[in-house]
Amino acid sequence: AQSVAQPEDQVNVAEGNPLTVKCTYSVSGNPYLFWYVQYPNRGLQFLLKYITGDNLVKGSYGFEAEFNKSQTSFHLKKPSALVSDSALYFCAVRAGGYQKVTFGTGTKLQVIP
Amino acid sequence: ETGVTQTPRHLVMGMTNKKSLKCEQHLGHNAMYWYKQSAKKPLELMFVYNFKEQTENNSVPSRFSPECPNSSHLFLHLHTLQPEDSALYLCASSQDSQDQPQHFGDGTRLSIL
Repeated sequence: AQSVAQPEDQVNVAEGNPLTVKCTYSVSGNPYLFWYVQYPNRGLQFLLKYITGDNLVKGSYGFEAEFNKSQTSFHLKKPSALVSDSALYFCAVRAGGYQKVTFGTGTKLQVIP
Repeated sequence: ETGVTQTPRHLVMGMTNKKSLKCEQHLGHNAMYWYKQSAKKPLELMFVYNFKEQTENNSVPSRFSPECPNSSHLFLHLHTLQPEDSALYLCASSQDSQDQPQHFGDGTRLSIL
């Protein structure tokens, strides 16, 4: 079985400050990890993914994520938050050889002007 | 412009009605998915189609009936729904490859009276 945990329902950060949205996972074998963002009244949009290689993955809109195998984590980060980054963020995992993707419960990011 | 189009965007129906949700993808993908998104709950995978064949039915009640006539179109037929079925229904598509992300439509907001 595979699972994803996003321990924070909401993260508040001041505009211009760095942000981190946490994600931990559990999977048998090598994980394929994804981050998605959802704006109000929209579907999920793909931000970035980790498959293999460098532990620091860069994605859209200045976001990046750090894969940590020993801590089974894949935290989403951005050096300087924008008000327009306010949205719902989902972490997702897929185990190798298994088509189903498991999504986390989502973290609401609020960037305060 | 997501490449995945869902219609209608909003639907209000009574419990005895029959309606259908439509999803169309213009990305050349061969896998399509239906998800249910309810407030305060994780994203729930309902059905997966791969090359028009259903490969996953995640214990979905029979009042939801999917149809995939080709790799570009996916339908969700609804009949005798319950109030708890009110939710955002998201369609997604992807290449049949473990490292490829899913592309989502903007969803159909369904309200059952």
